[in-house]
Amino acid sequence: ETGVTQTPRHLVMGMTNKKSLKCEQHLGHNAMYWYKQSAKKPLELMFVYNFKEQTENNSVPSRFSPECPNSSHLFLHLHTLQPEDSALYLCASSQDPPGEQYFGPGTRLTVT
Amino acid sequence: QKEVEQNSGPLSVPEGAIASLNCTYSDRGSQSFFWYRQYSGKSPELIMFIYSNGDKEDGRFTAQLNKASQYVSLLIRDSQPSDSATYLCAVKAEAAGNKLTFGGGTRVLVKP
Repeated sequence: ETGVTQTPRHLVMGMTNKKSLKCEQHLGHNAMYWYKQSAKKPLELMFVYNFKEQTENNSVPSRFSPECPNSSHLFLHLHTLQPEDSALYLCASSQDPPGEQYFGPGTRLTVT
Repeated sequence: QKEVEQNSGPLSVPEGAIASLNCTYSDRGSQSFFWYRQYSGKSPELIMFIYSNGDKEDGRFTAQLNKASQYVSLLIRDSQPSDSATYLCAVKAEAAGNKLTFGGGTRVLVKP
């Protein structure tokens, strides 16, 4: 257990569905992140929140919408996804400095 | 040129031997270096991090930095079958804020 939890752990959704991924960190960190990990590809940073403010958006399609209501919670709202969006979605948190990131267990998303 | 590069492997190591993994980075301003271990189907787990001022040993793991040649290495002594995983290198530059840049990972197979 790293102190970062994610729900749900597995999600299957159709292309017309709307769903949300939730992440919570119990480490008192000041930054939270969403990553996407597809098969055979490196980790892709999607969004960064620092003290609840979004500081990075790596050209992510608008069908992914992040929300950070406070420094402990992070959501990723999903709508009208495509099959190629199927991947492992990882949440991480860090205290900066020194900046090492701790990952949650991930949500395995399958879009049908 | 990728910012952080790793040989994808697999790196096959006999049980009890030393596994040596390398990671090269392109940003000379990089100041913090992180090694994560990721088992198949699981999320990355932080195993070590070092700063630009020195190497670090923790149990069977040693991380070494060569700033002149811009690479960081991870040595795993007395390799065990349980060390079989993908090892991800991540680099943080002062100018990048919270952002870590990840390599594609090296798959390690420890054979009994």
